[in-house]
Amino acid sequence: EVQLLESGGGLVRPGGSLRLSCVVSGFSLRSYGMSWVRQTPGKGLEWVSGISDSGGSTYYADSVKGRFTISSDNSKNTLYLQMNSLRAGDTATYYCAKDGGSGNPPYHFDYWGQGTLVTVSS
Amino acid sequence: DIQMTQSPSSLSASVGDRVTITCRASQTIAGWLAWYQQKPGKAPKSLIYATSNLHSGVPSRFSGSGSGTDFTLTISSLQPEDFATYYCQQYNSYPITFGQGTRLEIK
Repeated sequence: EVQLLESGGGLVRPGGSLRLSCVVSGFSLRSYGMSWVRQTPGKGLEWVSGISDSGGSTYYADSVKGRFTISSDNSKNTLYLQMNSLRAGDTATYYCAKDGGSGNPPYHFDYWGQGTLVTVSS
Repeated sequence: DIQMTQSPSSLSASVGDRVTITCRASQTIAGWLAWYQQKPGKAPKSLIYATSNLHSGVPSRFSGSGSGTDFTLTISSLQPEDFATYYCQQYNSYPITFGQGTRLEIK
């Protein structure tokens, strides 16, 4: 059974940093790429960042490029999102999501985690 | 970036109704279109990928169609558990983009 479990969200001041984690089970990060998708309260979905199955390629939305870094640790079955220089506009629930295919991204997402809330406020 | 526009933004319907939600891309996405269902306080769930392929376990009353820039999600006979918000997503190219969502409410 595929499972994704995010953690690391919380309250942070503007300009601060936070690292989100997503522990996966039921599949290998060596075989599937992953993404982070966020959703502001009461709003729609925004793709934030993605990483290929090999970990060799990373992709970012313009809104977070240069501030966020996606990475993965296959040995720990864990996906990360390092978020620096946080702004009020980054306040959202962050979901990790598994690619629905492998080899040549981008892909749709076939499984999602339950989300972790990040609040950026002074 | 490819813009995705869903219509309608909200929809009221009754159990048993047939409903259709439309998604239009600002440029061709060659069929790389997915649909998700989201209920309040929950993560999105995959319904359909590559325009018309049902995710495992999704009831057959859900179907998708379209090509190029215009796509539809159809629910043939609404069930109580189908009242939710639906999002389309293009994955033809980065950045991946979503429609703004269609809220399906009980009439």
